[in-house]
Order: sequence, then structure tokens, then C-alpha cells
Amino acid sequence: QVQLQESGPGLVTPSETLSLTCTVSGGSINIFYWSWIRQPPGKGLEWIGYIYYTGSTDYNPSLKSRVTMSVDTSKNQFSLRLNSVTPADTAVYYCARLGRIAGRYYFDYWGQGTLVTVSS
Amino acid sequence: EIVLSQSPGTLSLSPGERATLSCRASQSIDSTFLAWYQQRPGQRPRLLIYGASSRATGIPDRFSGSGSGTDFTLTISRLEPEDFAVYYCQQHLDPFYTFGQGTKLETK
Repeated sequence: QVQLQESGPGLVTPSETLSLTCTVSGGSINIFYWSWIRQPPGKGLEWIGYIYYTGSTDYNPSLKSRVTMSVDTSKNQFSLRLNSVTPADTAVYYCARLGRIAGRYYFDYWGQGTLVTVSS
Repeated sequence: EIVLSQSPGTLSLSPGERATLSCRASQSIDSTFLAWYQQRPGQRPRLLIYGASSRATGIPDRFSGSGSGTDFTLTISRLEPEDFAVYYCQQHLDPFYTFGQGTKLETK
């Protein structure tokens, strides 16, 4: 059973960089797309972007200028960096796998999520 | 960008009743790119329906999806206590993914 686990600081200072890592267990990170999704407290889901195991990426246009994703296949991990954060970036951050089902891609496995608060 | 609008925002029903949730897209989408997710309080989202009408692995058959073009529906035939949650529709217009704002299904 594939499991994903987010890790990283729970508190980030405004204007600084948010950094999170997702560790994948129970399966290889290879041949899949991996994504980050966030959810502000009491609100809905926002897709941040995805990274392929080869390192190719695509990001939400609304966040593209501030987002960088990377992958480390040797550690079965992928990471998110979001710079110049503001309190509006406070959210639960989920990592998720984009599984190929019937020829399309869906978020089929999710991490438990980690709350990141942006505050001084 | 395709916008997904879900209605109603909140649906109040009792266990055993039928729930009908709507998702409307701002432009026509290929139904194979439409999915539904369930998020119980304090939990991670879970894939329920993919391709607008196919149930994901392990999803009970009381859940069904339908629709095409711009209008999609998630139906729960007989509500169980564990079905009271927030439901999100989601679409994929390569290479971007967007979610609806969610429908909260609450106990009446």
C-alpha cells in the first residue's frame, strides 16, 4: 500500500520560504506524477503543481512565480518550495500521487497533510 | 481557466435519504477528466469517482456519478452516517487541475 508523508516546518515567517518534503513508501516514486495541493483553514482545495519522476514540472499559474518542485528518486522523496510567503499561504499542505486510471490521471493517494502557518 | 461551481454549498439530509450534488463547469469538458473526492472532517481527501461515472477502488455502490459537457452529478442513494462530509469535483485540463469549492453534506 502506497503511503505518503509530508514533513517540514509548521511555522514560517512572512517573506521567507516555505519548504516541505513528501516521502513515499510502499512503492517507487518512479513512473509517476506527484503533486502538491493545499487547503486554507475552512476552505477548499487548491492544486499547486506536479512533478514527474524525471523532474519535469507544471505549476498552477497563480503560484508559478513563487513555486519550485524537485524530486530525489534515490530517497523516494519530492519537495516543494514556495517563496515570499504571506499569511494567505497559511494552509494544510497535502502531497498526492497522480495515478493513471483508464488512461487519465487522478489524485489516488494522499498524504495526511501538514499545517503550515505563516506568521511573525 | 475552467471554473467548477458546486451546488448547493450545504446540503442537510438524514441518514437513509438520497443526496444529489451538482458540479457545473464554466465550459464544456471531456467527462473522462472529471472526478469527485470525499473529505471527512479532519481527514485527507479520498478519490470517489473518476471519469465522471466510474467508482474508484473500494467505493460502495451507493455512490454514483453522471453527467457530460458542463453538468455533472454525484448521487448517494442511501446516506450512511459516514457519508456526511465535504465533496469536491475536480477537472483536469492539461496541464492544470482545478477543484470546485465543495458541497458540505451535513446531518439534518
